[in-house]
Amino acid sequence: NAGVTQTPKFRILKIGQSMTLQCTQDMNHNYMYWYRQDPGMGLKLIYYSVGAGITDKGEVPNGYNVSRSTTEDFPLRLELAAPSQTSVYFCASSVNSGGIVEKLFFGSGTQLSVL
Amino acid sequence: DQQVKQNSPSLSVQEGRISILNCDYTNSMFDYFLWYKKYPAEGPTFLISISSIKDKNEDGRFTVFLNKSAKHLSLHIVPSQPGDSAVYFCAASVAGSGTYKYIFGTGTRLKVLA
Repeated sequence: NAGVTQTPKFRILKIGQSMTLQCTQDMNHNYMYWYRQDPGMGLKLIYYSVGAGITDKGEVPNGYNVSRSTTEDFPLRLELAAPSQTSVYFCASSVNSGGIVEKLFFGSGTQLSVL
Repeated sequence: DQQVKQNSPSLSVQEGRISILNCDYTNSMFDYFLWYKKYPAEGPTFLISISSIKDKNEDGRFTVFLNKSAKHLSLHIVPSQPGDSAVYFCAASVAGSGTYKYIFGTGTRLKVLA
């Protein structure tokens, strides 16, 4: 069982370039999330989705876009990369059990550097 | 505004002793809490959770305590093992809000000394 798969694992971008971080899960989870982890800052929620076609902003959405066309995939788009977006990005998924999201399953992360 | 705080960036404990990791929150609406462990170059992995209807939850060597009046939770690891050396995050959610968002703390790096 693959769980949550993120690609690429590492990427270096130049300022102003764009890219898409891919995330797919094979657990049929309806909820998916994107977090970023900056050194000493914990995990900050960028965007999340409660099902196909439904997305919403998290704590730090500026500079990012998402889409959720299928249950399995939740790509994160950076349109004009900036040095402030240098971070480690984690995708996660979860399922609603009796009205509670009991835990998140995380991918292994994408380390992004913007130079 | 940091709604979930882990005020100790690091903690060192001798193998076999108890590790206590602390987490404070400011939003009194939070009613479901998670603890995660993270090794370098890996994603966070789930450890244990607690609902606000409880004040304690145990799973093997891991116990989480919740003090709602103090808006404080703690993770106890007994006995601590070298393999427990990792960064630990607490996370909080308003389970009944319908949004299912989790807010994470900044993490505490635990080092268990052999």
